[in-house]
This record gives sequence, structure tokens and C-alpha cells, in this order.
Amino acid sequence: EAGVTQFPSHSVIEKGQTVTLRCDPISGHDNLYWYRRVMGKEIKFLLHFVKESKQDESGMPNNRFLAERTGGTYSTLKVQPAELEDSGVYFCASSQGNRLAAEGELFFGEGSRLTVL
Amino acid sequence: KNQVEQSPQSLIILEGKNCTLQCNYTVSPFSNLRWYKQDTGRGPVSLTIMTFSENTKSNGRYTATLDADTKQSSLHITASQLSDSASYICVVSAGNNNDMRFGAGTRLTVKP
Repeated sequence: EAGVTQFPSHSVIEKGQTVTLRCDPISGHDNLYWYRRVMGKEIKFLLHFVKESKQDESGMPNNRFLAERTGGTYSTLKVQPAELEDSGVYFCASSQGNRLAAEGELFFGEGSRLTVL
Repeated sequence: KNQVEQSPQSLIILEGKNCTLQCNYTVSPFSNLRWYKQDTGRGPVSLTIMTFSENTKSNGRYTATLDADTKQSSLHITASQLSDSASYICVVSAGNNNDMRFGAGTRLTVKP
């Protein structure tokens, strides 16, 4: 069974450009999450989808970030226009149930490294 | 200040030795605590998940402990192997919202 896959693995863009990151969750997982790790800091929550609906987007830093999950399958995270401080590793994770449940397993992708010059 | 603090920040040990990583948290109300292993360039992989009522949980050579009174957890690695070299991340979930707080991780290097 395929795990959570993310694309691209690494993207280098200039300040002001646009980048779109893609995440394919594990098949059948309704819950999809985006996280970000900025250099030297801890991983932080960005947002949570349940199927195609945004359940919680309280972690989104500003309106330059737009996440979508049309059809409740894969998700995209677009950064437009990118700023220097957006550099970091963006992780996607998926789960079958509510992640707060002790038995709920959260599966992470390998991350998309974004470098903004 | 992060609500999940891990120590040490980095650790170097020799292959075959044991080590213990620490996690202190202030997240409240507590729901569960997870330890993840993250290899370089990979995503975090779950090692253990513990709820309030669990004091210890093992996964092979990894043993996690939890003291919910002092809000401390530890991850003990026995007979370390070169493949244990990775970052180990402590993640605490709050019970009142859909919120997982991540520690900054401990970078473990196992040398031959």
C-alpha cells in the first residue's frame, strides 16, 4: 500500500514567485493535514481537511497561503507570492480517524522542501 | 516558549550503548503523547502513542515512559544501532481541541 506522497521533494524559487505543493494521502484516509517546519524550529500545524472540507485552518500564517482538496482526494498548498520566511519543509499527513484518538495513527509524507531566494 | 520541550538537543553515542531522551510539556488538558522517529530527508514515523493512563509502552528496542503528574516523558533506546541515527520528536495532543504540539526534536547520532 502506498504511503503519503508529496511533490515536489524540493523546490527553489525566487521571492515573489508562486509555488504549488501537492499531497496524495493514503487511499481511504478522510483526514489530511499540512504542517511546516521552519529551519531550527519545531513542526507546526497549518490546517486540517476532513474530506474536501477545511476543518481547521487556524495555523495558516497569512492569506498568501491557499490550500485546497477538491474531491476529497489529493490536496494542494499554494504559496503566492512567496516570501523569504516561507522557506522550510512542508509536511503532509493523513489519518483514517480523528488524530486525537489514542489509536488514531497519523502517517506523514516525506515533505516538500521549499527554498525562497 | 514552546509547550513541548525536548532535551538534549543533540546526542552522540556509540553503537550498542543505551540512551534516554527527555520530553517535558505544559500542554493542557492532556490527551496523548507520541514519539516519532524522523530520518534525514524523510517524514516522521510513529514509535509509540500513550494516553493519560499509560505509564510505559514499548516498541522493540524503544521504550517510552509517561508521568502525567510531572508532565514528563522519556524515550529509552536499548542496544543502539547505526540505523537509530535520526531525530526523535515528542508530540503532545491537547484534549480540548484538534491540536498537536511538536517538540523541536533530539538529534541522535550513533557511531560505530
